[in-house]
Amino acid sequence: AQTVTQSQPEMSVQEAETVTLSCTYDTSESDYYLFWYKQPPSRQMILVIRQEAYKQQNATENRFSVNFQKAAKSFSLKISDSQLGDAAMYFCAYRSEGADKLIFGTGTRLQVFP
Amino acid sequence: SAVISQKPSRDICQRGTSLTIQCQVDSQVTMMFWYRQQPGQSLTLIATANQGSEATYESGFVIDKFPISRPNLTFSTLTVSNMSPEDSSIYLCSARGRPGSQETQYFGPGTRLLVL
Repeated sequence: AQTVTQSQPEMSVQEAETVTLSCTYDTSESDYYLFWYKQPPSRQMILVIRQEAYKQQNATENRFSVNFQKAAKSFSLKISDSQLGDAAMYFCAYRSEGADKLIFGTGTRLQVFP
Repeated sequence: SAVISQKPSRDICQRGTSLTIQCQVDSQVTMMFWYRQQPGQSLTLIATANQGSEATYESGFVIDKFPISRPNLTFSTLTVSNMSPEDSSIYLCSARGRPGSQETQYFGPGTRLLVL
C-alpha cells in the first residue's frame, strides 16, 4: 500500500525568507501524481502545486516550487519570499495513475513570523 | 476549477442524534468524496459517493453510521448517525472531474461538528 510521510510536524520561517517542507512517499507504481495542499486556519483546502511522476521537470507556481526526486521518492515544497498569508497546514498527497483515492501525509504546520 | 459549498458550516449536536451535511458543486463532476479530519490531524477518506448507486466505503466506515446519497452529478449528502462525542470532527466534501483522471481534486470548506 502507498504511504506518504511528512516528518516535520511544524516549521517556521521569517517573512521574505525561504522554507522547504519535506515529503517522502512509498509506492511500487511508476505512474502517479503528487500534490501539495494548503489548509489555512479557515480550513478551506486549496491546491498549491501538482507534479506528474512522468515529468522530470520540477513544477513551479509563482513562489512555490517542488524538488521531485523520483528515485528517492521525495517531493519537497519550497516557498520563496515567504508571506504572512503562507501560514497554514501543508499536506502532501499522492494518487496512483488510474486510481481515485488521494492519500495524504500527516501535515506540516508552517508559521511565518514578521 | 470547481467551487464546492457545504451546509451547515458548523453545528453542535446532542449525543444519539443524526446530522445530514450537504455538499453542492458548481459544475458536474464524476467523483465526489467525503473525508473526516479530526482536530490537528490529517484527512481520512470515509467513502466515495457514487451517482445512482451505493457509496464505496473505506475500511472502518460503514453505511449504517455514515449513509451517503448522491442523486446527481453536483450534489451529495453525508449523514452522521447516532452521534457520539467521538464523531466530533471536521467533515469535508471533495470532488474531481473524471474517474482516474489527473484533474485536480477540490475541497469544500468543511463542516465542523461538535457532539456533546
